[in-house]
Amino acid sequence: DTAVSQTPKYLVTQMGNDKSIKCEQNLGHDTMYWYKQDSKKFLKIMFSYNNKELIINETVPNRFSPKSPDKAHLNLHINSLELGDSAVYFCASSQVQGSGYTFGSGTRLTVV
Amino acid sequence: GENVEQHPSTLSVQEGDSAVIKCTYSDSASNYFPWYKQELGKGPQLIIDIRSNVGEKKDQRIAVTLNKTAKHFSLHITETQPEDSAVYFCAAPSREGAQKLVFGQGTRLTINP
Repeated sequence: DTAVSQTPKYLVTQMGNDKSIKCEQNLGHDTMYWYKQDSKKFLKIMFSYNNKELIINETVPNRFSPKSPDKAHLNLHINSLELGDSAVYFCASSQVQGSGYTFGSGTRLTVV
Repeated sequence: GENVEQHPSTLSVQEGDSAVIKCTYSDSASNYFPWYKQELGKGPQLIIDIRSNVGEKKDQRIAVTLNKTAKHFSLHITETQPEDSAVYFCAAPSREGAQKLVFGQGTRLTINP
């Protein structure tokens, strides 16, 4: 069983479209995160939820909207996609905030 | 907030030799320092971590050392093998507001056969 699973693995879409990425963890962790990895491999946090409550919202355009229906799921919806949104998006979870992350395998988003 | 600097950005070593990657952090209150390995097409995977109450931790061929006074920590890989080739990330927690991990810029390690 995959501990943190993301879907889809690849996403190619046109500018202006709206898309969603889904994440589920079966580790029983309380905290989930979205990180963005750019072309230079730099990992930067976008959002964090603790037990369905938003606790971190970094400087991210409001076209990005996370949703956590329960503590095992954290989805990311992106409106009006732009070329600069192309990146790999990683979901992660941890039992303790700020430590012991388990990452998903990533979603490579390409906006054309 | 926490700032993590990682060096070098690329490292190439002969198979069997040792590799060392270094990180510095800015927040003296940080108390947890993990290292992640990211293979091509995969997510980062935790390989070793250290807490601030110890100076060194080993797990087979990998070890992490911590110098709290100087605010730096290092990853040591001995007897390197081709499967060690990957991108390695250090991280430290940011303690401003809700805690999160701040990652270094990554080191692309290549093991030459």
